[in-house]
Amino acid sequence: KNQVEQSPQSLIILEGKNCTLQCNYTVSPFSNLRWYKQDTGRGPVSLTIMTFSENTKSNGRYTATLDADTKQSSLHITASQLSDSASYICVVSPTYSSASKIIFGSGTRLSIRP
Amino acid sequence: ETGVTQTPRHLVMGMTNKKSLKCEQHLGHNAMYWYKQSAKKPLELMFVYSLEERVENNSVPSRFSPECPNSSHLFLHLHTLQPEDSALYLCASSQGPLGTDTQYFGPGTRLTVL
Repeated sequence: KNQVEQSPQSLIILEGKNCTLQCNYTVSPFSNLRWYKQDTGRGPVSLTIMTFSENTKSNGRYTATLDADTKQSSLHITASQLSDSASYICVVSPTYSSASKIIFGSGTRLSIRP
Repeated sequence: ETGVTQTPRHLVMGMTNKKSLKCEQHLGHNAMYWYKQSAKKPLELMFVYSLEERVENNSVPSRFSPECPNSSHLFLHLHTLQPEDSALYLCASSQGPLGTDTQYFGPGTRLTVL
């Protein structure tokens, strides 16, 4: 069964610190993996997208990594800011599939404390 | 972001009411989606429309009725809902209905069923 699992469920860190969020998936065959950021009361916004041949992708202070062999991805946030407080959702798409086959993780809720 | 708009942002309704959620996308996309997001659960795909044709219906109860009059507008008609239907309803659009197409989400409608 295709699944996407994220850890931790929630995380609290101090402003300025770094953190890493994890995503493990069992989706096969694999096409691409996305990380979304969802602010409270808003819809998810795409941060990064990686295909199976990419190992890393950056978007400002956000860096996503992908290990297609172990089926793991991580999202690293550098020098966190209060505005980084949000839920981060890992999304995996199977190969040659419709959008209806996309698998969403439950998300990690990140809180940045001043 | 104003690419995908949703109205209303908040809705409280009784189980015998009839209401409609509206979504509009200004991105020139051909595919539109309705998702349900409940607390601590992954996004659940409800309906997919491509070029105004419904292409997916993920076993959604008939008390939810979608309508797509054109490629820019999507509605979700609600009637005789249950309290467990309370959730955030997200609309999204993408260039096409494939898993490789990035989805752009609206801000959502927070629905409470009393």
